[in-house]
Amino acid sequence: AQSVSQHNHHVILSEAASLELGCNYSYGGTVNLFWYVQYPGQHLQLLLKYFSGDPLVKGIKGFEAEFIKSKFSFNLRKPSVQWSDTAEYFCAVTLVSNDYKLSFGAGTTVTVRA
Amino acid sequence: EAGVTQSPTHLIKTRGQQVTLRCSPISGHTSVYWYQQALGLGLQFLLWYDEGEERNRGNFPPRFSGRQFPNYSSELNVNALELEDSALYLCASSSSGRAADTQYFGPGTRLTVL
Repeated sequence: AQSVSQHNHHVILSEAASLELGCNYSYGGTVNLFWYVQYPGQHLQLLLKYFSGDPLVKGIKGFEAEFIKSKFSFNLRKPSVQWSDTAEYFCAVTLVSNDYKLSFGAGTTVTVRA
Repeated sequence: EAGVTQSPTHLIKTRGQQVTLRCSPISGHTSVYWYQQALGLGLQFLLWYDEGEERNRGNFPPRFSGRQFPNYSSELNVNALELEDSALYLCASSSSGRAADTQYFGPGTRLTVL
């Protein structure tokens, strides 16, 4: 079955530490990949997306993600986190076909300690 | 620019009742998506409407239905409510139904079924 896997349920970091969140998908075919973030009390919002071109994409707030097709992965990174990065992070995938629904991973809660 | 809006914010119903949730997309967006975010289950795709037509639905029973109006707003109806329908229901909109389009999410409606 097609799925999106996020490896970490909860990550706890100190400020200035580096962050990497794993995301793997099991879809065959061409995909579009997204990372969404949900800050406490706020809506889901887009961090970054990949649909073609350079596999290293940069998003808002210093986040970046790398699409590695051979590994079916789209890991999210930030070199130095801040307390304000405390949030829940969701990886999502759409299959570029007639089926445009967004399939989400289970989410990773990131807690940054000051 | 106003974002995606949803109403009501919270709703409490009892088993067997029916509920209608409403969503207004961002102005100019023609596609509306509905997701269910139940505790422990992550975000699950429910329905996709584009240009007034249902384009796709997720693995939910027929008692979950909806429609999209000529102004692109949408309703989600759930009949014969069950306890496990308790969840946050999120609506998203995009400028069209293309897989690369960013989906913008609303704040959600929290449904509690007693």
